[in-house]
Amino acid sequence: EAQVTQNPRYLITVTGKKLTVTCSQNMNHEYMSWYRQDPGLGLRQIYYSMNVEVTDKGDVPEGYKVSRKEKRNFPLILESPSPNQTSLYFCASSPRAKETQYFGPGTRLLVL
Amino acid sequence: AQSVTQPDIHITVSEGASLELRCNYSYGATPYLFWYVQSPGQGLQLLLKYFSGDTLVQGIKGFEAEFKRSQSSFNLRKPSVHWSDAAEYFCAVGAGSSNTGKLIFGQGTTLQVKP
Repeated sequence: EAQVTQNPRYLITVTGKKLTVTCSQNMNHEYMSWYRQDPGLGLRQIYYSMNVEVTDKGDVPEGYKVSRKEKRNFPLILESPSPNQTSLYFCASSPRAKETQYFGPGTRLLVL
Repeated sequence: AQSVTQPDIHITVSEGASLELRCNYSYGATPYLFWYVQSPGQGLQLLLKYFSGDTLVQGIKGFEAEFKRSQSSFNLRKPSVHWSDAAEYFCAVGAGSSNTGKLIFGQGTTLQVKP
């Protein structure tokens, strides 16, 4: 089944403890992206990747890192999480930029 | 700046009634537009999209949307709502240069369906 998977689905952590949220797609898509969803704000793009080893900042990149070493994986790294990064995170992929993006199930993160 | 506005944060309709969710966008060039639905605890599912051509697009689950360039709108409609349609609906516009692929989302509209 074609899908985007994220792990973990739920995570509670404390301020400053590094964490990684994994994202994987099995559709051979070139484009991948991370969004965060906050009440009343919709979804905002954090980072995106056009292809392997090609990443760039979205609208809200502060406090996040990404890497794209393989086409199928696009992990989101929080080096030193803070409470304002408490949010619902979505990974998405598409064959190329400007095409339909397919979303993962989301990761709900709580930073205490 | 590019933006998407969904004027209705919350809408309640009776089962079987018609539905229209509003979406207005601000974008300098020809946009490409999407409607996604998010059921509680779920990810986003694509309902329909507009890239070009016929301005009335059909989607899944009986939804349709009409692109009106003169009004900068892309409203979502359904003639008869089912209880399972209760969810949050997001309108999104493809923005930026052809290399970013960024989607700009509206704030979302929560649909409640009364029995």
